Amino acid sequence: EPEVTQTPSHQVTQMGQEVILRCVPISNHLYFYWYRQILGQKVEFLVSFYNNEISEKSEIFDDQFSVERPDGSNFTLKIRSTKLEDSAMYFCASSFMGGRNTEAFFGQGTRLTVV
Amino acid sequence: QKEVEQNSGPLSVPEGAIASLNCTYSDRVSQSFFWYRQYSGKSPELIMSIYSNGDKEDGRFTAQLNKASQYVSLLIRDSQPSDSATYLCAVNIFVKTSYDKVIFGPGTSLSVIP
Repeated sequence: EPEVTQTPSHQVTQMGQEVILRCVPISNHLYFYWYRQILGQKVEFLVSFYNNEISEKSEIFDDQFSVERPDGSNFTLKIRSTKLEDSAMYFCASSFMGGRNTEAFFGQGTRLTVV
Repeated sequence: QKEVEQNSGPLSVPEGAIASLNCTYSDRVSQSFFWYRQYSGKSPELIMSIYSNGDKEDGRFTAQLNKASQYVSLLIRDSQPSDSATYLCAVNIFVKTSYDKVIFGPGTSLSVIP
């Protein structure tokens, strides 16, 4: 069964360093998303991406964050200068359709620890 | 602020009973509603989607939607210990010109007691 794949599963980085989280969405999906979940808290929307551009983003997704689809299969989230409060589980998701019929399927997540 | 709210847990039910999970949302124009299951330390897993008022059944799961009341629920019949997880209600929010923003509620922790 097709699935969303994320790498790495766990990333430890020093405060101020740049990190890139990688995702391979389901192959025929057209819409891509990043979410984060701080330990013990709810899943928070970061950004949605369609047709090689951001379609929506949240207040969390500030200038320190960027997303890219560098080729036909990967979808990346970059955090330029990590802060302690960026420590969280980051989930990538994809869906075939966007808009009202968005059924998004999640990857297994990358646990980011900023020290 | 657009919000999705869920009844606070933890919710404990005996094995074989019906578990009822509730969710309310504040955005009247929302059109798509989802239930995800999340086991501890794992990613959300889509279990149900519902777009129209009424009931939608899939195996032991029934989702119910009432747009007038801005209310969506999930019933789990014949609850099993393996159903013990956090259940996340998610709503597709209309922002500017698109619906590409799915917002999650805080989740309800369900514990099924053998």
